[in-house]
Amino acid sequence: DTGVSQDPRHKITKRGQNVTFRCDPISEHNRLYWYRQTLGQGPEFLTYFQNEAQLEKSRLLSDRFSAERPKGSFSTLEIQRTEQGDSAMYLCASRTNLAGGPVGGNEQFFGPGTRLTVL
Amino acid sequence: RKEVEQDPGPFNVPEGATVAFNCTYSNSASQSFFWYRQDCRKEPKLLMSVYSSGNEDGRFTAQLNRASQYISLLIRDSKLSDSATYLCVVKFGSWGKLQFGAGTQVVVTP
Repeated sequence: DTGVSQDPRHKITKRGQNVTFRCDPISEHNRLYWYRQTLGQGPEFLTYFQNEAQLEKSRLLSDRFSAERPKGSFSTLEIQRTEQGDSAMYLCASRTNLAGGPVGGNEQFFGPGTRLTVL
Repeated sequence: RKEVEQDPGPFNVPEGATVAFNCTYSNSASQSFFWYRQDCRKEPKLLMSVYSSGNEDGRFTAQLNRASQYISLLIRDSKLSDSATYLCVVKFGSWGKLQFGAGTQVVVTP
């Protein structure tokens, strides 16, 4: 499968625990995004990487959240001291850096997401 | 007020009928516009980009009105497989991040 993959697909944790999610983007994609989606809402932007550099973070990303993309390939999103309000689907997306047509250049391809439940 | 607003629906549509819905966006600096489709408990997938001149992709027609800041999607000859949530999406900022509406649910019935 050459699409975006995420691991784990589901995570149940107790409040106060730390969790880490992994995203493997499409191999030639140097741009990587994390989004969070809660029930009945659209995805909300969390953070953006271009290669290994984290270039933007949303105000939604509190100091309990940290994301890395150490070698410009896969990325991890860690949540420390989880709260019940962190329960959501965490989506990763990637795209190329190529300009050009709307599909080849602009499309963000989403992974299947990691569904987090904090008890 | 949300940056991208959509009627949540559901729009209950008989198979073969036409359904149309739209969304409004508040950021006049929005650069590009899309409709994404999301099936229940799945990831969003790009349905189509939306151009200023309007564009069509098979049974789907998208329109953009920059002056009024709204985007529309029309589905002709609805199929059962069109049942999904349709997300209105705008791209803005330096890095191409996407801003999503909450989605419009479409249910096509036999």
